[in-house]
Amino acid sequence: GQQVMQIPQYQHVQEGEDFTTYCNSSTTLSNIQWYKQRPGGHPVFLIQLVKSGEVKKQKRLTFQFGEAKKNSSLHITATQTTDVGTYFCARGGSYIPTFGRGTSLIVHP
Amino acid sequence: DGGITQSPKYLFRKEGQNVTLSCEQNLNHDAMYWYRQDPGQGLRLIYYSQIVNDFQKGDIAEGYSVSREKKESFPLTVTSAQKNPTAFYLCASSRTESNQPQHFGDGTRLSIL
Repeated sequence: GQQVMQIPQYQHVQEGEDFTTYCNSSTTLSNIQWYKQRPGGHPVFLIQLVKSGEVKKQKRLTFQFGEAKKNSSLHITATQTTDVGTYFCARGGSYIPTFGRGTSLIVHP
Repeated sequence: DGGITQSPKYLFRKEGQNVTLSCEQNLNHDAMYWYRQDPGQGLRLIYYSQIVNDFQKGDIAEGYSVSREKKESFPLTVTSAQKNPTAFYLCASSRTESNQPQHFGDGTRLSIL
């Protein structure tokens, strides 16, 4: 199937530093979904972006959808230990999303 | 409280044995899915079902089987043909319209004895 590539695979930060994960596609995305999976837990839906250039915020999390709808990013400002986990993007367009491999965020206190 | 229930949380399989993982949802979702998660591999789709009595293979269906006799239930059987079954298995459900978020169960961790 059509893939979405996520980078980086892992990211270590000190608590208080910012964090960004990127999701890229070679083809145009109809929408992009973001999920968070805590260690030992299950993925939880965070947000969906649909419009070109769309920016949405959830507290310290900022989600962007590229103008060409081929990439997306999730930025966390001033990370906290509660942000630890793996963040997945998923391409939508049908009722079956295709997940990227995820970016694991490790926050050092 | 609506949600998806997977059982058991942990499961051990002997060589040559079939095991069945349970997934039940009370969200009234038509679509249900099974994913396999290995470290660094993300989520890989095993099977999915859009409606009762119908299901389709995903990307890694070999060695697995499913049934969808009820809307609420979508059990996954890991057969002896699956030579590397050790993984974390996640069940999910969603509405069938496009762009709907998936709701996941807590997962079942399967190991080989």
